[in-house]
Amino acid sequence: DAKTTQPTSMDCAEGRAANLPCNHSTISGNEYVYWYRQIHSQGPQYIIHGLKNNETNEMASLIITEDRKSSTLILPHATLRDTAVYYCIVPSTDSWGKLQFGAGTQVVVTP
Amino acid sequence: DADVTQTPRNRITKTGKRIMLECSQTKGHDRMYWYRQDPGLGLRLIYYSFDVKDINKGEISDGYSVSRQAQAKFSLSLESAIPNQTALYFCATSDELPNEQFFGPGTRLTVL
Repeated sequence: DAKTTQPTSMDCAEGRAANLPCNHSTISGNEYVYWYRQIHSQGPQYIIHGLKNNETNEMASLIITEDRKSSTLILPHATLRDTAVYYCIVPSTDSWGKLQFGAGTQVVVTP
Repeated sequence: DADVTQTPRNRITKTGKRIMLECSQTKGHDRMYWYRQDPGLGLRLIYYSFDVKDINKGEISDGYSVSRQAQAKFSLSLESAIPNQTALYFCATSDELPNEQFFGPGTRLTVL
């Protein structure tokens, strides 16, 4: 898997947008960027993934830079329930399904 | 009802005991996975199965074994539990998109 680098933690005010960065400078041309989150001691939850173009779903938006060396997960209107550890993962194409979770970013949404 | 269930949710056992953790799913997925998570760390893959006849070792399979009894059931066994296997264990499933995985609620295992 391409190595990813995320900040250890970040705070966000409730109702504001949360922008979570991820660096993946060694990503290969056909590798996707995936985002998961884990609310305290619960099972991780898939959020979104993308290859080149920006992606949006009901949970979040994913912005991938043109050179694909970094991406940003955007939670448009953070709520207290968005407090979680967020993982940015870039699985290699020869290890489908073998997700490697790093330490992630602890996001705390405050009232 | 939950799509991916794990039993037991909590278990305390002693060193040397055999333990089985069970995972069931109603999503109809062919692929199932077992992960462990240690405090403050990310998840690590123990075993995975892409169909009933397929079993593969993950990153940290030593000391563990698995059984895929049916499409819906995937069990993880610790033949002789040791204290450093104390962790939170998660089961996950996926369909033909293996990187979109659905996780169970976890089993907290403590080995004394």
